[in-house]
Amino acid sequence: DGGITQSPKYLFRKEGQNVTLSCEQNLNHDAMYWYRQDPGQGLRLIYYSQIVNDFQKGDIAEGYSVSREKKESFPLTVTSAQKNPTAFYLCASSIASSPLHFGNGTRLTVT
Amino acid sequence: QKEVEQNSGPLSVPEGAIASLNCTYSDRGSQSFFWYRQYSGKSPELIMFIYSNGDKEDGRFTAQLNKASQYVSLLIRDSQPSDSATYLCAVSTWVTGNQFYFGTGTSLTVIP
Repeated sequence: DGGITQSPKYLFRKEGQNVTLSCEQNLNHDAMYWYRQDPGQGLRLIYYSQIVNDFQKGDIAEGYSVSREKKESFPLTVTSAQKNPTAFYLCASSIASSPLHFGNGTRLTVT
Repeated sequence: QKEVEQNSGPLSVPEGAIASLNCTYSDRGSQSFFWYRQYSGKSPELIMFIYSNGDKEDGRFTAQLNKASQYVSLLIRDSQPSDSATYLCAVSTWVTGNQFYFGTGTSLTVIP
């Protein structure tokens, strides 16, 4: 079955450490996105990529970095520069004007 | 910043009633409109999408779009307890690629 796989489901890190969240899709979608969701809030766009080797900052890119070396993969690194990294992170993909398809999310806790 | 606004609720309806969820958006260039359902601790799942003015029906769900008023709504008929969730409104606009913007969501509780 086609879909988006995010791993791990839960991630715990100490403050000051960088951490990378994995996102893989086998839907053959061109565009991939990373969103952050905090309790009681909507989804805020971190980064998005329309094609391989190209990506753009979203509304809250500071403290995050991404790469898009393969069409199927769009990993997100949360760096130590991110002030409040504890959140629910959602990866999504789409093609043309189709709706977003979401992965199951990664819940990151930084203490 | 493109705004998508929803009443955060909570909205409570009795089982079998119609639930009405509303959303307004600020960007007149928005082209596509989506409703997602999100259960607590889970990722959003697509319920409906609509591109043209008017109504679109799918089972118990009806999406309504009025581009002149920059307003989109979701009606849920014969509400069931399993419909209890947060409903996210999203709009997309083609800028440098297709960008999606989300409201903060409306929490719906269907009371048995």
